[in-house]
Amino acid sequence: AAGVIQSPRHLIKEKRETATLKCYPIPRHDTVYWYQQGPGQDPQFLISFYEKMQSDKGSIPDRFSAQQFSDYHSELNMSSLELGDSALYFCASSLGPPGTGELFFGEGSRLTVL
Amino acid sequence: QKEVEQDPGPLSVPEGAIVSLNCTYSNSAFQYFMWYRQYSRKGPELLMYTYSSGNKEDGRFTAQVDKSSKYISLFIRDSQPSDSATYLCAMSGGTGNQFYFGTGTSLTVIP
Repeated sequence: AAGVIQSPRHLIKEKRETATLKCYPIPRHDTVYWYQQGPGQDPQFLISFYEKMQSDKGSIPDRFSAQQFSDYHSELNMSSLELGDSALYFCASSLGPPGTGELFFGEGSRLTVL
Repeated sequence: QKEVEQDPGPLSVPEGAIVSLNCTYSNSAFQYFMWYRQYSRKGPELLMYTYSSGNKEDGRFTAQVDKSSKYISLFIRDSQPSDSATYLCAMSGGTGNQFYFGTGTSLTVIP
């Protein structure tokens, strides 16, 4: 079965650079979520989209922005990168409105900021 | 106080043991409950999904939800070394809500 696809899997950036992560949800899933996970921590909710509109915002820095496109894929844009942004970034998708149904995760994008 | 509390462990058991993992929560509106298995540097893998209360069984895994006690459990029977991972619970109050995660329990199954 198709899963959530994330790219790139690994990314190395310098401080103050910009990074873009992409997410392709499971087909027919209409809600996409972005999470940040530091070492030994649980996933921290960043932002979600339902039917291509922003649904909810968590602890997402102002330097970050995201959007969901007409084909339901989503991109997380991170600017003015800081060392503390180094983490695993997960995209997840679900069928139905946010907060309902089964939540499926991608394999994540590992961002390292030097 | 966090929405979801989970003992981080680590938990170490011999192969073949029954493992019990638990989470407590404070929000009585939660009605969607999930358990994930996460291997190091990998994405969380959905193991069990329960809506509202009750038990659900899938192979060696059993999930229980006790809404009156705000307590959920995951039991793993006949544990295998391949079960060694971090187990995360997650839950939500429904439409328009976030999913809230426990901090994860690290499990090691010793051959």
